[in-house]
Amino acid sequence: QVQLVQSGAEVKKPGASVKVSCKTSGYTFTNDYIHWVRQAPGQGREWLGIINPDSGITRYGQKFQGRVTMTRDTSTTTVYMELTSLRSEDTAVYYCAREPITSVRVYYYDTWGQGTLVTVSS
Amino acid sequence: QSALTQPASVSGSPGQSITISCTGTHSDVGTYDLVSWYQHFPDKAPKLLIYAVTERPSGVSHRFTGSKSAITASLTISGLQVEDEADYFCCSYASGGSLVFGGGTTLTVL
Repeated sequence: QVQLVQSGAEVKKPGASVKVSCKTSGYTFTNDYIHWVRQAPGQGREWLGIINPDSGITRYGQKFQGRVTMTRDTSTTTVYMELTSLRSEDTAVYYCAREPITSVRVYYYDTWGQGTLVTVSS
Repeated sequence: QSALTQPASVSGSPGQSITISCTGTHSDVGTYDLVSWYQHFPDKAPKLLIYAVTERPSGVSHRFTGSKSAITASLTISGLQVEDEADYFCCSYASGGSLVFGGGTTLTVL
């Protein structure tokens, strides 16, 4: 079955960077897009961006432009999200999620990772 | 503050029906039929309940239905069950190619 398995929790100091991985399995890696979404404590969810695992092309949310980088490794069917210049407000659970691609874009997520807690604290 | 507005909490008794609203703008919910709904239990991966406003993925109970009017989308859960207690959130495509989310609604089944 389709699975997205994320890396473990991280604790970082302000100003540092974090790189979260999302290992995919159970489907053809290059067929579907991967998005990253986060939820800060007591807050709603935010869209960080999207990567096309086939081409590597990315699009980032305006709020995160310049601080986020999404990459992929086709040999290991893994997607990565790196966030730099961390501040306390970046403390959140970060999720990867799959958007299934058909003949048209559908803009929904049929599978999510289990989430990765990133804590930013001095 | 989330881009889409949902009530923080709703409650109902077993067997009853409840509706959760998701209000956006003409740049997202009001223009695109690309609203999805998810059920989220603590420390679990969210589960897709509804996509394209009204479509239900295979395997999702018929007790979950979606609708939309103007800038407000809604999720209705009928025949409430105790196991429906969870966080529910909406998501919509937005002009410019991003996705926006609701703040989430905690459902309590009394």
